[in-house]
Amino acid sequence: DGGITQSPKYLFRKEGQNVTLSCEQNLNHDAMYWYRQDPGQGLRLIYYSQIVNDFQKGDIAEGYSVSREKKESFPLTVTSAQKNPTAFYLCASSPGTAANYGYTFGSGTRLTVV
Amino acid sequence: DAKTTQPTSMDCAEGRAANLPCNHSTISGNEYVYWYRQIHSQGPQYIIHGLKNNETNEMASLIITEDRKSSTLILPHATLRDTAVYYCIVRVADSSYKLIFGSGTRLLVRP
Repeated sequence: DGGITQSPKYLFRKEGQNVTLSCEQNLNHDAMYWYRQDPGQGLRLIYYSQIVNDFQKGDIAEGYSVSREKKESFPLTVTSAQKNPTAFYLCASSPGTAANYGYTFGSGTRLTVV
Repeated sequence: DAKTTQPTSMDCAEGRAANLPCNHSTISGNEYVYWYRQIHSQGPQYIIHGLKNNETNEMASLIITEDRKSSTLILPHATLRDTAVYYCIVRVADSSYKLIFGSGTRLLVRP
């Protein structure tokens, strides 16, 4: 079945370390997105990519980086510059950026800084 | 900022219809209304979306007012598994067509 796979499900990081979250989709979707969710709050957009080799900053991009070298993959790196990285991270994809396209979400990665 | 306003929480009895309201008074003519729900610690699940007309699928119905300034998501026969946070989202009509999430409505379905 087609879908989005995020790994790992749980991730622990020491302060000062970079860590990369994986997001893979086999839906043949052009657009991919990364969101962050803090407890009791809605989702906030970190980065998005409308096409391979192109990506744009979202509302809270500071301390994060991404790449889009392949259509099916959109990894997110949480750098040491991110002051409060403990959160639930969600990856999503859509067929394109037209307004009538919905998103498909992965099951998320919970990152904890120890 | 999110372009929608939803009640913080609601509840309904199992087997009854759940009607979740959403205000989007600044919606533009080419912007869609989307509904997603999120069960604790899972990714959001798509429910339904619409532009002007009412929509129905196997999960829910979406009623959009004629002036498009508000909408209602209807779960016709709520079950305990429908307990979740429900997000009403207007898909922003810029070049990226991003989904901007608000805080949503926490729906509790009571036995």
